[in-house]
Order: sequence, then structure tokens, then C-alpha cells
Amino acid sequence: GQQLNQSPQSMFIQEGEDVSMNCTSSSIFNTWLWYKQEPGEGPVLLIALYKAGELTSNGRLTAQFGITRKDSFLNISASIPSDVGIYFCAGRDYSGAGSYQLTFGKGTKLSVI
Amino acid sequence: DGGITQSPKYLFRKEGQNVTLSCEQNLNHDAMYWYRQDPGQGLRLIYYSQIVNDFQKGDIAEGYSVSREKKESFPLTVTSAQKNPTAFYLCASGRDRVSGANVLTFGAGSRLTVL
Repeated sequence: GQQLNQSPQSMFIQEGEDVSMNCTSSSIFNTWLWYKQEPGEGPVLLIALYKAGELTSNGRLTAQFGITRKDSFLNISASIPSDVGIYFCAGRDYSGAGSYQLTFGKGTKLSVI
Repeated sequence: DGGITQSPKYLFRKEGQNVTLSCEQNLNHDAMYWYRQDPGQGLRLIYYSQIVNDFQKGDIAEGYSVSREKKESFPLTVTSAQKNPTAFYLCASGRDRVSGANVLTFGAGSRLTVL
């Protein structure tokens, strides 16, 4: 299957700091999704991106669909303790036979100290 | 409220036993998915179903089985053939698999531990 490289794997930041994480792929995606997962729960969708160059915000979160369609980044401004969790990127591409495939990154674990 | 319900939340199994994880959705979604999550790993697709009475293997289907007799339900059976079944299992649903704009809604997960 496709491979997504998500970085960093983990981050320790102080409350109030800005956070940045990204995902890169060797292939082109037509959709980028960012999810947050809290311990013992399922991932929850934060932001969905559908067009190259698209920049979308959701409160203190901002995500962008890279121009090359092979990358995306997520920024969190002024972090707070409840931002703790694992953030996953996911990219969707056409897998043939009229269907699309979703590939997940391995996640960025965010800890606020 | 619409959503996905997974049960049980925690499950313990002895080696050699089959166990079934339940997944029910009331979102009227056509497509349903099962993912496995291990520490430090991304989500790996086990099985998916685009429509009732049809399902397809994902990347790690060996040792698992599913059924899709109703649109709302997509149970996963972890069989004794699965050599390393201890993991967190996530069920998801989406409007369909055809749309490139489809996003997935996840359940809260089921944690299976083999004793």
C-alpha cells in the first residue's frame, strides 16, 4: 500500500506554544484528512482538505493541502492541555475499480507540559 | 445523535478462542471498515464493506472474518488463526467508498487482550 511519512513522531511542548506537524507522501493524494485521537478513544476528524493549496482553519487549528499534492501540514496555535493526544494524517487516492483508498500516517503524539 | 457504537469496550480472550467485536452505526452510511491499531503504529485496514452482503479484504485480513447482513452492522470475528490478536480495534463508517471526498467516522474502539 501507500506510505505516509508523518513527523515528528512525538512532541513535548509548553502550554501556549505553537505546534507544527506534517505528512509527506511519495504519491499524489486528492484528499488530506487530519484526525485527533485521545487515549482509549477513536479518532475524531479535525479538518478535511480537498484542493491543492487549500488552507483551512478550525479554531486554533490550521491545515494546508500542499501544492504538489504530496504533503500536508497541521498547525496548532497557543496550545492548551486539552490538545494532548495523537494526531493522524490520512491521504486518499484513487485505487482503481471506481473506489478510493485511505492511507494513515503513524501519528504524532503531543504532550503538553 | 447519530454515531457508531462498538462493543465490548474491553475484551479478554484465552488463546485458541474466537471472539466477535460488534459495530453498529445509525448514520445511514453505506461503507464500513475495521482497522487495527498497535502502539506507535498507524491504522491498518482489516476488512471493509461497501454494501450489504459484500466485503473485501484489507491489508491484514488473515485470521479475521466479517459479515455484513445489515447496513447498520459490521461485526468482526478474531479467530484463533490470528497469531497476535492483542490490539485496539476501530470500526469506522463512511458515506461511500466511491466518493473521493468521503470522510470516515470512527467508533470509540474495542481493546482485545489475549491472556
